[in-house]
Amino acid sequence: QTVVTQEPSFSVSPGGTVTLTCGLSSGSVSTTYWPSWYQQTPGQTPRTLIYSTSTRSSGVPDRFSGSILGNKAALTITGAQADDESDYYCVLYMGGGIYVFGTGTKVTVL
Amino acid sequence: EVHLVESGGGLVQRGGSLRLSCAASGFTFSSYWMSWVRQAPGKGLEWVANIKLDGSAKYYVDSVKGRFTISRDNAKDSLYLEMNSLTAEDTAVYYCARWERDDVGGTYYYDSWGQGILVTVPS
Repeated sequence: QTVVTQEPSFSVSPGGTVTLTCGLSSGSVSTTYWPSWYQQTPGQTPRTLIYSTSTRSSGVPDRFSGSILGNKAALTITGAQADDESDYYCVLYMGGGIYVFGTGTKVTVL
Repeated sequence: EVHLVESGGGLVQRGGSLRLSCAASGFTFSSYWMSWVRQAPGKGLEWVANIKLDGSAKYYVDSVKGRFTISRDNAKDSLYLEMNSLTAEDTAVYYCARWERDDVGGTYYYDSWGQGILVTVPS
């Protein structure tokens, strides 16, 4: 099955901005892949951040935003805070009932 | 409030079988697609299987096709994962997750998760 690629890690300064991407091993990501984004801190269950490419889930701060950038889905954190230090995963719908998680990005805030 | 509680995990020998259960409460279970997602120790999340509202459609990741079976009992508000021919590569925390539909965008996304249950298959 298709591999969904994410950057392994990013480091961002407090108050800084970071953009994580979610791409395909072959082809381009578009809204038809229904990109969604999830945050997971170690030992915790995932938390929904973004769905339908750019819609923030209830209670998610507006410093998190989703988009399509070029041929990838993207999650941007603007004004990073210490508690944003987590693993972030995207999910893409491949059609035929098949969903694939991205490889995940570890974000460090320091 | 949505609650999803997994059970049935544990240590199982290579080649053995295990049945996971997920008890749902706080919502109309029969109105939602449900899913199993797993996470191997120190690794990322992996979608395992989905099941339609009435159980009439089921989808699996290639690595578990023919070995795992997802099912549901809407009368009992419960989701199941029957796992056979287990290997060390199936060692993971297994999460039960609810699919929500975005009526505006026409898409689906995970909106609720159980706490997860550990399945260990020694190599």
